[in-house]
Amino acid sequence: SQTIHQWPATLVQPVGSPLSLECTVEGTSNPNLYWYRQAAGRGLQLLFYSVGIGQISSEVPQNLSASRPQDRQFILSSKKLLLSDSGFYLCAWEGKGYSQPQHFGDGTRLSIL
Amino acid sequence: GENVEQHPSTLSVQEGDSAVIKCTYSDSASNYFPWYKQELGKRPQLIIDIRSNVGEKKDQRIAVTLNKTAKHFSLHITETQPEDSAVYFCAASDQAGTALIFGKGTTLSVSS
Repeated sequence: SQTIHQWPATLVQPVGSPLSLECTVEGTSNPNLYWYRQAAGRGLQLLFYSVGIGQISSEVPQNLSASRPQDRQFILSSKKLLLSDSGFYLCAWEGKGYSQPQHFGDGTRLSIL
Repeated sequence: GENVEQHPSTLSVQEGDSAVIKCTYSDSASNYFPWYKQELGKRPQLIIDIRSNVGEKKDQRIAVTLNKTAKHFSLHITETQPEDSAVYFCAASDQAGTALIFGKGTTLSVSS
């Protein structure tokens, strides 16, 4: 069966520090991959999605970037974190094909001090 | 692009009552409509989905209806239980079919 792993589960970082969040998927190949951010008590904001290795689409211009160095690996990065980057970051995967559901990882809770 | 509106933002019911959450979408090309349940501090989990070639789908106490003409879809939960308390999100596929556009969520509280 397919599984999705995200780490770390929680992270506390100072303003201006770099960021790297990692997401990996097992049990499937060539998935669509997604990064979302969820502010406290708010909805899901799509940040990036990828339909294949090296293919990244950005939905919201900001100081974050994403990379997909391997088929089942999706990384969210920042060179300099802002206070507004605090939130709950969720990675999701989706199989190729017509009308496939997205499946979410357990998320990373990021606090910027 | 696609826009999804979700109502109400909060919903309080007594245990055993029914709960209905409604969503509207703007892009008539959208063809896939999932619903997710998110418990506090946890990840969203898919509870039911419907595709545009179907008008209604049921899974035990949960049902979803789709009206393509009016571009709205609804989640119905019958015989609610305290464990149904959570935030529920609707979503619709975008025109390219590569992303989901989510509603802002409904916080459902079921009191016993």
